[in-house]
Amino acid sequence: DVVLTQSPLALPVTLGQPASISCRSSQSLVRNDGSTDLHWFQQRPGHSPRRLIFKVSNRDSGVPDRFSGSGSGTDFTLKISRVEAEDVGIYYCMQGTHWPFTFGPGTKVDIK
Amino acid sequence: EVQLVESGGGLVQPGGSLRLSCVASGFTFRNSWMNWVRQAPGQGLEWVANIKEDGSAQYYVNSVKGRFTISRDNAKNSLYLQMNSLRIEDTAVYYCAAGSDIRGQGTLVTVSS
Repeated sequence: DVVLTQSPLALPVTLGQPASISCRSSQSLVRNDGSTDLHWFQQRPGHSPRRLIFKVSNRDSGVPDRFSGSGSGTDFTLKISRVEAEDVGIYYCMQGTHWPFTFGPGTKVDIK
Repeated sequence: EVQLVESGGGLVQPGGSLRLSCVASGFTFRNSWMNWVRQAPGQGLEWVANIKEDGSAQYYVNSVKGRFTISRDNAKNSLYLQMNSLRIEDTAVYYCAAGSDIRGQGTLVTVSS
């Protein structure tokens, strides 16, 4: 199975400051058609997970533009340009290229 | 707007069965791979099963193979998960997902004696 490794696992941030989460895959996530099924999810405390970014860098509808995704192959990054209080939660990367689809362990973001 | 509403969870004894349902709206259901994802209490997310648009192919994570069956009814915009021989470790909130898009509130399955 593809293993996704996230770092850091805990990320205390100052309001208004940037934050960055890394996701590394044990295998390339590039599909035969050239697309890459790497997605990012946010789970706020007490809420269901919701997708923020699909296929590496595409923001879902309603997601603030302070969230951005980048990367290729096996290395991917989620960035928050200026952290707001509502961004507290756990962030997961997920790959949908190889079955079984897998999630990273999650990165817990909280406010310093 | 994509909406996915799960139901069917509850308390069941080890070895028992449950059938989860998910009703979809806001997108073309028959054109979408559909999935079940679960989250055990206090734990991360796990992809459980998925099914092709026309139902002709299904995939399962190893831990549920032979016990769970995913199915769909495109005429009813509905996705199902038949769960048999349930184990304590199947206790989780189960979410349905359209492609990689998880939208619902989930349904809680508790396996306990």
